[in-house]
Amino acid sequence: KNEVEQSPQNLTAQEGEFITINCSYSVGISALHWLQQHPGGGIVSLFMLSSGKKKHGRLIATINIQEKHSSLHITASHPRDSAVYICAVSPWGSNTDKLIFGTGTRLQVFP
Amino acid sequence: EPEVTQTPSHQVTQMGQEVILRCVPISNHLYFYWYRQILGQKVEFLVSFYNNEISEKSEIFDDQFSVERPDGSNFTLKIRSTKLEDSAMYFCASSEMSANQPQHFGDGTRLSIL
Repeated sequence: KNEVEQSPQNLTAQEGEFITINCSYSVGISALHWLQQHPGGGIVSLFMLSSGKKKHGRLIATINIQEKHSSLHITASHPRDSAVYICAVSPWGSNTDKLIFGTGTRLQVFP
Repeated sequence: EPEVTQTPSHQVTQMGQEVILRCVPISNHLYFYWYRQILGQKVEFLVSFYNNEISEKSEIFDDQFSVERPDGSNFTLKIRSTKLEDSAMYFCASSEMSANQPQHFGDGTRLSIL
């Protein structure tokens, strides 16, 4: 069983739609990360959070520690948001902040 | 904005050959990581490195793998005798401190073993 599960695996949307990507995890964590991977392969960190909610531009990330669940929301989606969005966790008990990754959600936004 | 740089972007190697993947982490960062992503699969942790020694390694990181920070700026991953299954994208990352800090990733090196 994967320690980090994401849903959906694939998501298509029309420009302007509100998008939600979900992440559930089964281990104790010190932090949860949302990352973006572009078609060329590069990975960019979007958010790191351990409680509550963070907002950056049109992106919002929330986490519920008790339910071991996080969501990434994109408001007013745009074709340039098309990418793979990855949830990753830093598990408790790690000597360093190694990340355990989910399988990612591939998002395509059409004009 | 400072960034993590990786070279080469693509490496093609014959099975059994040694390969060295290079990374230059962000200059004031203290923690360094290697991850790999086999095509179509999720990213997997390989090793973390702090204070010139390995802090943590995964089951994947066997005796064929080694890491080094040879000169205070570069951070290298060496695979001694490559196998076909080592074909993957290898990502280097660095963070300022271990606890609750985002990791900054390089663009990756695509390693193809023939």
